[in-house]
Amino acid sequence: AQSVAQPEDQVNVAEGNPLTVKCTYSVSGNPYLFWYVQYPNRGLQFLLKYITGDNLVKGSYGFEAEFNKSQTSFHLKKPSALVSDSALYFCAVRANTGGFKTIFGAGTRLFVKA
Amino acid sequence: DTAVSQTPKYLVTQMGNDKSIKCEQNLGHDTMYWYKQDSKKFLKIMFSYNNKELIINETVPNRFSPKSPDKAHLNLHINSLELGDSAVYFCASSQDEASGGTDTQYFGPGTRLTVL
Repeated sequence: AQSVAQPEDQVNVAEGNPLTVKCTYSVSGNPYLFWYVQYPNRGLQFLLKYITGDNLVKGSYGFEAEFNKSQTSFHLKKPSALVSDSALYFCAVRANTGGFKTIFGAGTRLFVKA
Repeated sequence: DTAVSQTPKYLVTQMGNDKSIKCEQNLGHDTMYWYKQDSKKFLKIMFSYNNKELIINETVPNRFSPKSPDKAHLNLHINSLELGDSAVYFCASSQDEASGGTDTQYFGPGTRLTVL
């Protein structure tokens, strides 16, 4: 069965510092992995995804994520956080074995302090 | 131009009533979804349609009935509303990579349902 874990409910970081939002997954076969961001009172927006190829994926707003197959992780990173990055971040996984079911993690709230 | 739109944005109603939420996407996607986001922000898939056919039907009370009149629309009808149905409901769409898409889901702005 597919599952996604985001072990931190909240991540606090000072503006200008690097940030990491953690995600681990479990899926049969090779995974499709996604990060989405949700700002208050808005729908989720796509940030980046990994399907195949380079383990380091670059996405929107300066975010990147590293796929680590041995650790079954897909952590979201940004070298220098901005206050405007404060939002709710969701990791998601889908098996590439067919079907359309994407499982979302519980979400991690990122708070960037000025 | 809004890619995925939902109406209404807010819905306040009494227990026992029947209500509908409408969703439309103008992205030409084959697949559409309904998600429920509870007060703790947990996002749970409810239904998914691909080319107007139901392909995902999670453990959802049968008071919830999706309807897809065409590929661009997926509506959600809820009968006999209960307090526990209060949540934000998101519609989303995507195009499968095998069908020339990117598998990325595009979400609507959400419908905040409050049952009193």
